[in-house]
Amino acid sequence: DGGITQSPKYLFRKEGQNVTLSCEQNLNHDAMYWYRQDPGQGLRLIYYSQIVNDFQKGDIAEGYSVSREKKESFPLTVTSAQKNPTAFYLCASSMARQGETNYGYTFGSGTRLTVV
Amino acid sequence: AQSVTQLDSHVSVSEGTPVLLRCNYSSSYSPSLFWYVQHPNKGLQLLLKYTSAATLVKGINGFEAEFKKSETSFHLTKPSAHMSDAAEYFCVVSQNSGGYQKVTFGTGTKLQVIP
Repeated sequence: DGGITQSPKYLFRKEGQNVTLSCEQNLNHDAMYWYRQDPGQGLRLIYYSQIVNDFQKGDIAEGYSVSREKKESFPLTVTSAQKNPTAFYLCASSMARQGETNYGYTFGSGTRLTVV
Repeated sequence: AQSVTQLDSHVSVSEGTPVLLRCNYSSSYSPSLFWYVQHPNKGLQLLLKYTSAATLVKGINGFEAEFKKSETSFHLTKPSAHMSDAAEYFCVVSQNSGGYQKVTFGTGTKLQVIP
């Protein structure tokens, strides 16, 4: 079955440590996205990528980094510069190409990150 | 600029009664509009979408939504709530912004279904 796989489901980070969240899709989608979800705030865009080897900052990119070396993969690194990283992180993909707006997203099942 | 407002953060209905989740949007151009559902600790699942075709859109699990341009609304309805409908629902607006799909999520409405 096609879909998006996020791993791990739960992740614990110590203060000052970098961690990487995995996101893999086998939908052949061009666009991929990372969102952060906090209670009562909806989803906020961290980074997005429309094609391989290209990505753009979203609304809350500070303290995060990404790479897009393969179409299928879009890992997110939460660096020590992110002061409040405890949140639920969602990866999504879309078949939308540049300028297209009518495609919905397919979401992964999320990674819950907790700072200990 | 675009925005989306979900008018209720929580909605409670009895099982078997109608569901109404309200969403208003603001967009400079003709937007695409979506509703997603999220069950606890899960990702979001697309319920339905409006993309400038029929204004009444039918989705999965018996949900539907009506696009009303004059009221800038896209409310989600279901004739009869089931216990399995208890979840959080997100209204989303999407438009072309500088050549890419800019998407804005509402803050969500939590639906409680009382037996």
